[in-house]
This record gives sequence, C-alpha cells and structure tokens, in this order.
Amino acid sequence: AQSVTQLGSHVSVSEGALVLLRCNYSSSVPPYLFWYVQYPNQGLQLLLKYTTGATLVKGINGFEAEFKKSETSFHLTKPSAHMSDAAEYFCAVRLDSNYQLIWGAGTKLIIKP
Amino acid sequence: DAGITQSPRHKVTETGTPVTLRCHQTENHRYMYWYRQDPGHGLRLIHYSYGVKDTDKGEVSDGYSVSRSKTEDFLLTLESATSSQTSVYFCAIRGEGGSNQPQHFGDGTRLSIL
Repeated sequence: AQSVTQLGSHVSVSEGALVLLRCNYSSSVPPYLFWYVQYPNQGLQLLLKYTTGATLVKGINGFEAEFKKSETSFHLTKPSAHMSDAAEYFCAVRLDSNYQLIWGAGTKLIIKP
Repeated sequence: DAGITQSPRHKVTETGTPVTLRCHQTENHRYMYWYRQDPGHGLRLIHYSYGVKDTDKGEVSDGYSVSRSKTEDFLLTLESATSSQTSVYFCAIRGEGGSNQPQHFGDGTRLSIL
C-alpha cells in the first residue's frame, strides 16, 4: 500500500539554523512528490514538487528538497531558518489512480529566536 | 492565487442537522476535492470530482455526500451532522496535464457540531 511518513510531528530549530523536515514514502508507481506549507488559519500552499528530471528541486521561500529513490525519501531543507518559516509542512505523493494524493500527517516547524 | 472560494468560512450547528459547504472556483479546472483536516491525521480525502456529475469516494466518505452540477461549484453535504464531523474542511482544485500537476487549496471552513 502506498504511504507517506513524516518523522516528527514537531521540529524546533533556532533562527538561522538549518531546517530539515523528513519525508519517506512508499509507492507502487513512479512517485510524484509534493511539499506544501500551511500557515495558521490558511489553506495549504505548494512549496515545491518533484515529478521527473533533476532530483534536487528548488521551491519558494528558499526551500529545496532532494528525491532519493534508493532511500525512498524526499526531505525538505532550508539553510537558514527565519521566524516567518514557522508553519506546518505536509509531504504528499500521488496515488496510482492519478487523481489523488496520499498525505503525511504533517510536521509543525517551530523557530526559536 | 488560485481562484477558490469556500463558504461559509465558519459554521456552528447542532447534531442531527444537515449542513452544506460550498466550494466555488474561477479556474475552470476539471478536478475538485474535499478534504477534512484533524490534528495528527493530516489531510484525509472525503470525495472528489473529475468532471460535472462525475464524483467518487475518498477514504472517509461515510456520512458525506457531494454534488457537482456545474464546473465551478462542488458542494459537500453532511446529511445529519455528528460531533465526529467537527473539523476544518478544505476544498482543492487541480488542472489538466496529469497527476504531476499540484492541487491548489481554498482557505477552509471551520465546522463545529455541538
């Protein structure tokens, strides 16, 4: 069965430190992978996506993610955290029906001043 | 931003009453989705639509029905609301071009069933 696992429901980093949010997936078809961000009381906004081609994908707000097929991972990183990065982050992978996505449970990123 | 409007944004109602949530899009996208979001569960798909009058169930469809009579509107109905349906509901749309296209989300409806 296809699934998405996000390690850590909460991740806390200091302002200026590296951000690393982990996502592992299982998929029965070549994966299309997505990271979304949700700010309080808002909908989800696309950060970046991997479909084919270059495995290092750059997104908005300085985030990037690397697709590693051998590790079935798509971890999200940012070199230097800002206070404005505090939000909840969701990883998703397409389901083989092509209509749907499977979602991780989310990771809340906390930025310490 | 994708033109998606959810209404109402907030609603409080009583157990046993019917509730209808509306999602309206101005993008003319074929695919529309209803999700619910609960702490610790991420997003769970309730129903989705792949065209006018074409809908299908998601993983948590029990107690919910949908209708899509026009491209721009996708309605979610709770026939007889229960307290377990208290949640934040999100509508999403997706354009053509295959499953590599991202979904775009509305701002959500916060529904409380007392």
